[in-house]
Amino acid sequence: DTGVSQDPRHKITKRGQNVTFRCDPISEHNRLYWYRQTLGQGPEFLTYFQNEAQLEKSRLLSDRFSAERPKGSFSTLEIQRTEQGDSAMYLCASSPTAVPGGTGELFFGEGSRLTVL
Amino acid sequence: GENVEQHPSTLSVQEGDSAVIKCTYSDSASNYFPWYKQELGKGPQLIIDIRSNVGEKKDQRIAVTLNKTAKHFSLHITETQPEDSAVYFCAAGNPGASKIIFGSGTRLSIRP
Repeated sequence: DTGVSQDPRHKITKRGQNVTFRCDPISEHNRLYWYRQTLGQGPEFLTYFQNEAQLEKSRLLSDRFSAERPKGSFSTLEIQRTEQGDSAMYLCASSPTAVPGGTGELFFGEGSRLTVL
Repeated sequence: GENVEQHPSTLSVQEGDSAVIKCTYSDSASNYFPWYKQELGKGPQLIIDIRSNVGEKKDQRIAVTLNKTAKHFSLHITETQPEDSAVYFCAAGNPGASKIIFGSGTRLSIRP
């Protein structure tokens, strides 16, 4: 297994268009996370799946954003009616079954960079 | 809400010297404190982590200390090398939320 893969790596779109990103996690990991990272900032939590169930969404996530993980394997993140403020790196991470005491290591992909013109 | 503050935002040290990055967190329920390293064009990668039942952890040239009372933790890199140049993020997690909150990052530069 080569790790978490994300596609596309770069996406340039015009304001108002819809975009979709895909994430393939490490195969045995049942937790999958989406984060957003803007220049000079740390990753900002967007949403999290345990298998196919979306268990948490950030309050910062507007209703233009939707994420799915239909079979508990790959996930998609869709942004509708994109705005210039959506320009960022979208990072996907996966994690194995919960470790004792709660959270554990996140394995990140290389990200999908979105530029909205 | 949960918040993790990190400083400094940039740090430049002479090769061979030590580097220290400090973080504070707001959620007293946090019990997991990882540090990630991010190189240009790549996703963050875990370099070391510590849980709240220990006060210090060391792995070769990297060490992390945790003060739960004061709600702060630090990363120490000794004998810095050029390949240590990167952006470093601290983070905090708690068992109830199952998510990790990141600091804003420290860009570390190692001067030859």
